Amino acid sequence: SAVISQKPSRDICQRGTSLTIQCQVDSQVTMMFWYRQQPGQSLTLIATANQGSEATYESGFVIDKFPISRPNLTFSTLTVSNMSPEDSSIYLCSVVSWQGEEGNTEAFFGQGTRLTVV
Amino acid sequence: GQSLEQPSEVTAVEGAIVQINCTYQTSGFYGLSWYQQHDGGAPTFLSYNGLDGLEETGRFSSFLSRSDSYGYLLLQELQMKDSASYFCAVLNQGGKLIFGQGTELSVKP
Repeated sequence: SAVISQKPSRDICQRGTSLTIQCQVDSQVTMMFWYRQQPGQSLTLIATANQGSEATYESGFVIDKFPISRPNLTFSTLTVSNMSPEDSSIYLCSVVSWQGEEGNTEAFFGQGTRLTVV
Repeated sequence: GQSLEQPSEVTAVEGAIVQINCTYQTSGFYGLSWYQQHDGGAPTFLSYNGLDGLEETGRFSSFLSRSDSYGYLLLQELQMKDSASYFCAVLNQGGKLIFGQGTELSVKP
């Protein structure tokens, strides 16, 4: 299992500013994942954060808007840059415990950051 | 592209059995997972099917048919606390989880 501490839990920000969200995992993991979840919607993968290399972004998400850092195997940050009200959402970090193709695979999530942009 | 389809909402009564279906289209498929999310909370893991067949964990069971690109979550002996959103998610290459749109389950007394 993995325990993820994510902060801040919520914030209200002015448009045009940036917010950095931090996630700390209690064990070393190769990949960390960042998701966005708008109210009442599903989780959309933003990017995969790899230690020692650039993050891999999903279609529709770009590094300039969502820069990611991964300085070591237990920590990652996601920055939401130049925010607009459309960025109001819940942001979640996640790690996956992989036990091979026939084993159990379970994702663990931080508690989320509820961001409101005004 | 990748897509998952599941019903948007389901309503059932306490003590009943409910089945939430999920069909998917994806490349690099490894397995199908199910997650529960209560309002204001983070998703929590329920089950994972890497192979065809039924997996049972207490009141919850999950099924996968790779040939049909289909799975379901079965919830038995429903309780009020089971009211939540349920997401199917495909485990893809690179360990990525791609989530369906979610099914909101309402359990009535």
